[in-house]
Amino acid sequence: DVKVTQSSRYLVKRTGEKVFLECVQDMDHENMFWYRQDPGLGLRLIYFSYDVKMKEKGDIPEGYSVSREKKERFSLILESASTNQTSMYLCATLRDRASYEQYFGPGTRLTVT
Amino acid sequence: GQQLNQSPQSMFIQEGEDVSMNCTSSSIFNTWLWYKQDPGEGPVLLIALYKAGELTSNGRLTAQFGITRKDSFLNISASIPSDVGIYFCAGPLINYGQNFVFGPGTRLSVLP
Repeated sequence: DVKVTQSSRYLVKRTGEKVFLECVQDMDHENMFWYRQDPGLGLRLIYFSYDVKMKEKGDIPEGYSVSREKKERFSLILESASTNQTSMYLCATLRDRASYEQYFGPGTRLTVT
Repeated sequence: GQQLNQSPQSMFIQEGEDVSMNCTSSSIFNTWLWYKQDPGEGPVLLIALYKAGELTSNGRLTAQFGITRKDSFLNISASIPSDVGIYFCAGPLINYGQNFVFGPGTRLSVLP
């Protein structure tokens, strides 16, 4: 079974702090994604990556950056956290570009105060 | 851009009842995906549909790819308490790479 793990289930940070959310997968999947989930809005794509050191902006990249130094690890960085970044953050993987099934981590619920 | 709408937004049903929900778009999709998210967990793929008109089942779940390619339906028969969660439809975006758009979800509550 594919396993996608996220570094924290719950996180509380202060406005202006730099926040790192980490995602690790164990199935050698090429593609990794970061989404945020807000009630009534579904999942919105922040960034994705098709390969090591490669990243592409999604629908809502403002205020976020990402890093993929190793194939199994994809990090989401909030350079200066703000209260409107309080949300559930979900990491997902996809085997390759011919696939459709994404595998999701359990999510990190981030609260910025 | 491509967007998905889901209805109903939420529903409360009695255990044993059948459930129907749908997903619509103003754009054509070539693939429809249905995910379920249990409380406190990430979404899990339930059913994938690849062809207009296709009807696919997964246990008590049945999904259909609309003929117009602008909608899809998910039915759950004889609901049980573990069906509680949020059901998302999703589709791949028609651009470079493999990227997806998700609907806002239908929240299902099952009353014993």
